[in-house]
Amino acid sequence: AQKVTQAQTEISVVEKEDVTLDCVYETRDTTYYLFWYKQPPSGELVFLIRRNSFDEQNEISGRYSWNFQKSTSSFNFTITASQVVDSAVYFCALSERDDKIIFGKGTRLHILP
Amino acid sequence: GAVVSQHPSWVICKSGTSVKIECRSLDFQATTMFWYRQFPKQSLMLMATSNEGSKATYEQGVEKDKFLINHASLTLSTLTVTSAHPEDSSFYICSARQAGEPYEQYFGPGTRLTVT
Repeated sequence: AQKVTQAQTEISVVEKEDVTLDCVYETRDTTYYLFWYKQPPSGELVFLIRRNSFDEQNEISGRYSWNFQKSTSSFNFTITASQVVDSAVYFCALSERDDKIIFGKGTRLHILP
Repeated sequence: GAVVSQHPSWVICKSGTSVKIECRSLDFQATTMFWYRQFPKQSLMLMATSNEGSKATYEQGVEKDKFLINHASLTLSTLTVTSAHPEDSSFYICSARQAGEPYEQYFGPGTRLTVT
């Protein structure tokens, strides 16, 4: 069965610091997809990234970067030079073969001014 | 880009009444839609998978007679909470998976249900 673990329930950092959100997943499939979503206080999910299991290249998008390591079943997310607007709940998620998406419990990130 | 809408965005209903939530894919066809529920400060929990023209598949522990799902067209799925009770108060989010490659899923903005 698929499972996503986000061990960090809540993190607080001072603005401009870098912060890494951890995500560990479990799946028996060789084909799967990993996601990160941001959920601001408004509640609407904001899609950040989708990565398939065959693409282990790290990704960078502006201040965001993702490190995918199949050897440790991890898909960590780093925000560089954090800003107050980055404050939100971040969910890591997994789907097997484009099926239903299963979410981790989320990490609540507070960026302090 | 692909857009999924939900209606209403929020609803308050009295205990014992039923409420219907709509999920629409506005600019793409979705053979499959998913319904999630999110309690305050918790994660999204998948309730059911809805395939166009067939019965929904419910996750373990979700009462199919209480949460009625209809997916009558390739752009619309509805979730009806029957005989709602205060414990059904939650944030309900749908997602729609586009028909065909690359099978991307897009999430709606959510519906906040409060049962008084």
